[in-house]
Amino acid sequence: NAGVTQTPKFQVLKTGQSMTLQCAQDMNHEYMSWYRQDPGMGLRLIHYSVGAGITDQGEVPNGYNVSRSTTEDFPLRLLSAAPSQTSVYFCASGSDRTGNTIYFGEGSWLTVV
Amino acid sequence: GENVEQHPSTLSVQEGDSAVIKCTYSDSASNYFPWYKQELGKRPQLIIDIRSNVGEKKDQRIAVTLNKTAKHFSLHITETQPEDSAVYFCAASEEGNSGGSNYKLTFGKGTLLTVNP
Repeated sequence: NAGVTQTPKFQVLKTGQSMTLQCAQDMNHEYMSWYRQDPGMGLRLIHYSVGAGITDQGEVPNGYNVSRSTTEDFPLRLLSAAPSQTSVYFCASGSDRTGNTIYFGEGSWLTVV
Repeated sequence: GENVEQHPSTLSVQEGDSAVIKCTYSDSASNYFPWYKQELGKRPQLIIDIRSNVGEKKDQRIAVTLNKTAKHFSLHITETQPEDSAVYFCAASEEGNSGGSNYKLTFGKGTLLTVNP
């Protein structure tokens, strides 16, 4: 049981490039989400999913796409990277079966130059 | 949408003293309030949570209180130790379909707690 796994851990992108941050969980959690963390801003919800085939926008969705084709995976796509997307990204998952606790992955540090 | 304010932004205490961090929220529909601890370079980890049907919850040296009328909740750490030094985040979410959180957490901006030996 690895929990929530994120890859890559570190990435440097050039402005305009696209990339995908991967997130996988092996706990059969129905809920998955992506947050970004910026200095002094706390964590802000980007997108979330309450089950396979269902996604919805959070607080700061612009510039990001998600899909949920399986229960286990929830990738986050940056379509055309901008310096404003330099941040630490956390994937999280949760389940009604675990009292709704949200478990975070280890984070992905992204720098856009 | 929900707005969560957290104070103070930094807190420095002597080892053995108590630390209190306070949060207020705006949406009366919120009913799940977790607290996360984040050490430098690490992921946020849940340390305690409270639901709206409970006014106080304790877990060893950590306690959380909730005042739904005033829309505020607080984290209390007693007998602080150097390993308590970290950034603490409060959060709030509405009730989900099953009666628990709807998982859409709104976070405060964090409190950097430093415990001086």
